[in-house]
Amino acid sequence: AQSVTQLGSHVSVSEGALVLLRCNYSSSVPPYLFWYVQYPNQGLQLLLKYTTGATLVKGINGFEAEFKKSETSFHLTKPSAHMSDAAEYFCAVSARGGYNKLIFGAGTRLAVHP
Amino acid sequence: GAGVSQSPSNKVTEKGKDVELRCDPISGHTALYWYRQSLGQGLEFLIYFQGNSAPDKSGLPSDRFSAERTGGSVSTLTIQRTQQEDSAVYLCASSLALGGSNTGELFFGEGSRLTVL
Repeated sequence: AQSVTQLGSHVSVSEGALVLLRCNYSSSVPPYLFWYVQYPNQGLQLLLKYTTGATLVKGINGFEAEFKKSETSFHLTKPSAHMSDAAEYFCAVSARGGYNKLIFGAGTRLAVHP
Repeated sequence: GAGVSQSPSNKVTEKGKDVELRCDPISGHTALYWYRQSLGQGLEFLIYFQGNSAPDKSGLPSDRFSAERTGGSVSTLTIQRTQQEDSAVYLCASSLALGGSNTGELFFGEGSRLTVL
């Protein structure tokens, strides 16, 4: 069965600092991988996804993530945090060849301080 | 519509009452999903529809929970005899059928927040 682990339920950074949100997955075959963001009282918005090809994926708002098969990881990074990045971030996986059922991690709440 | 629409956005009910939550997916999206987001927890898969059929109901927590989809479009999630532990945000998502250029992105509504007193 697939599963997703996000290390750190809360991460706090200063404005302008590097953002690193960790995600590890468990899957018998390389899955599709996603990062979603949820702003307060809103639904989830796709940040980026990895399906095939280049392992470094760039998304919206300056975020990127790198798929590392050997480490079963898909960590999310942003070089310089902005106050507007404060939100909850979810890593998710889905099985290749199946329907689009996403299995989500527990989420990481990012706080950005001035 | 332009996006996934859910109603009501907020619902407060008394323990033991039945509630219905509605989801109107993006036009043309044949797949529809319900998730539950409880306070301090991640998203829990409830049920998946392809067209009007539900090949995966594995996430429904009890027989008090049911869902249907009609006309391949609108879906209703029904919770009977609500309990306090049912309090959560219920999120609906839709997607194109898998295949072709579709690689699994789900589009989410803003959710229905259910509070059971």
